[in-house]
Amino acid sequence: LAKTTQPISMDSYEGQEVNITCSHNNIATNDYITWYQQFPSQGPRFIIQGYKTKVTNEVASLFIPADRKSSTLSLPRVSLSDTAVYYCLVGPAFYGGSQGNLIFGKGTKLSVKP
Amino acid sequence: EAGVTQFPSHSVIEKGQTVTLRCDPISGHDNLYWYRRVMGKEIKFLLHFVKESKQDESGMPNNRFLAERTGGTYSTLKVQPAELEDSGVYFCASSQRPGQGATNEKLFFGSGTQLSVL
Repeated sequence: LAKTTQPISMDSYEGQEVNITCSHNNIATNDYITWYQQFPSQGPRFIIQGYKTKVTNEVASLFIPADRKSSTLSLPRVSLSDTAVYYCLVGPAFYGGSQGNLIFGKGTKLSVKP
Repeated sequence: EAGVTQFPSHSVIEKGQTVTLRCDPISGHDNLYWYRRVMGKEIKFLLHFVKESKQDESGMPNNRFLAERTGGTYSTLKVQPAELEDSGVYFCASSQRPGQGATNEKLFFGSGTQLSVL
């Protein structure tokens, strides 16, 4: 399973766009990139997943360059409620039948200020 | 639709005692996982069930931990006897299996059980 590197923390202000970049130099051909969000006293929550190029949903966008050695989670116009820890995970979509055995890492603690 | 639920939300026990954590996955989810985060550390995988079968238990720390999923529905994680280093947050997650309308896997996590061993 590929190891990921992401910033330990980031600060932002309400209304700004936040981009969190994750490095995964050893990503394998069949690996997907998945981002989870975690609020205090809660379990991680799936945000977005992609394999290549760009993926967008109602919450965020995920940009993946052609070499797939990094990815960027983009949160448009953040609000105070987006303050959380964001995890970048890399692994097969179905690892041995599931994606569950993933390496979470330390994540990026995003603090959004008024 | 109900999410993944875990009981209890908090448990405080003394060293040497036994504690059983419970996880109710989302209905219809065959995959069930246990993770934990000990103080100051990262979230670590413990084990994975597919229905009632243990698919991968490589993350279980030692034989004081026993996980079951009888009938392929809810799961329990028993720690006996509990040690100080077992303190942490235990998360459960579930997901659909491929072919059940899922093209890739999205894990749904519970809120966790905070275990404190004194």
